[in-house]
Amino acid sequence: GQQLNQSPQSMFIQEGEDVSMNCTSSSIFNTWLWYKQDPGEGPVLLIALYKAGELTSNGRLTAQFGITRKDSFLNISASIPSDVGIYFCAGLIGAGGTSYGKLTFGQGTILTVHP
Amino acid sequence: NAGVMQNPRHLVRRRGQEARLRCSPMKGHSHVYWYRQLPEEGLKFMVYLQKENIIDESGMPKERFSAEFPKEGPSILRIQQVVRGDSAAYFCASSPRRDSQTQYFGPGTRLLVL
Repeated sequence: GQQLNQSPQSMFIQEGEDVSMNCTSSSIFNTWLWYKQDPGEGPVLLIALYKAGELTSNGRLTAQFGITRKDSFLNISASIPSDVGIYFCAGLIGAGGTSYGKLTFGQGTILTVHP
Repeated sequence: NAGVMQNPRHLVRRRGQEARLRCSPMKGHSHVYWYRQLPEEGLKFMVYLQKENIIDESGMPKERFSAEFPKEGPSILRIQQVVRGDSAAYFCASSPRRDSQTQYFGPGTRLLVL
C-alpha cells in the first residue's frame, strides 16, 4: 500500500521562529492535506492542496503540492506557543476507482514551541 | 451544528471482552470513515461506510473486527475478543459526499486492553 514519509519526526523551536516540515511518497497522490492534532483530540484540517505545484496559505501557514505529486511541505511562520501539537500530512488518491476520501497519513511531526 | 461525536472517549477492556465504539457523524453527513492510531504513529484507514453499506473495508482486520452504519443511529465499530494489540485510539470521520475531500474527525475513542 501507499506510504508517506514525514520529516522531521519532532522539532523543538523558540517562539517566533519559522518551521518547515515535509512529506514524501513513492506513489502519486491527487490531493494533499495537512492536519494538526492536539493531545486527546482528533485531527483538524489546516490546508488542502488539489493541484500539482499549488501553493496555498492559511494565515501563518503555507503549504505546497509538489510538482511530481509525490511530495508536499508545510511552513509555519513566526511560531507561537499554541502551535504546539502533532502535524500530519495526508494523501488522497481520489481518482479512478478510489473516488472517495480514503486518506493515507504520514507518521506525524511533533512540534514543541518554547516561549 | 454539532461536530462528529464519538463515545465513549475512553474504554478499558480485559482481554477476551468485546469493545463497541460509536460514532455519530455531523448532521447531513452519510459517509463515515474509521481510522486507527497506534501510539506515536499516524492514522491508518480501516473502513469506509455509507448508510447501510460497507464500501471499503480493506484496512480492517478480517477477524474480530466489524463495522456497521445503520439507517438510523450511529456507526458502530465492534471488536470481539480484544487483545492487547488492539489498544489504540480509534477515530471516525464524516463527510457529506462520497467524493468530498474534506473529512471532519471526531475526538476519538481511546481503547485500553488490560
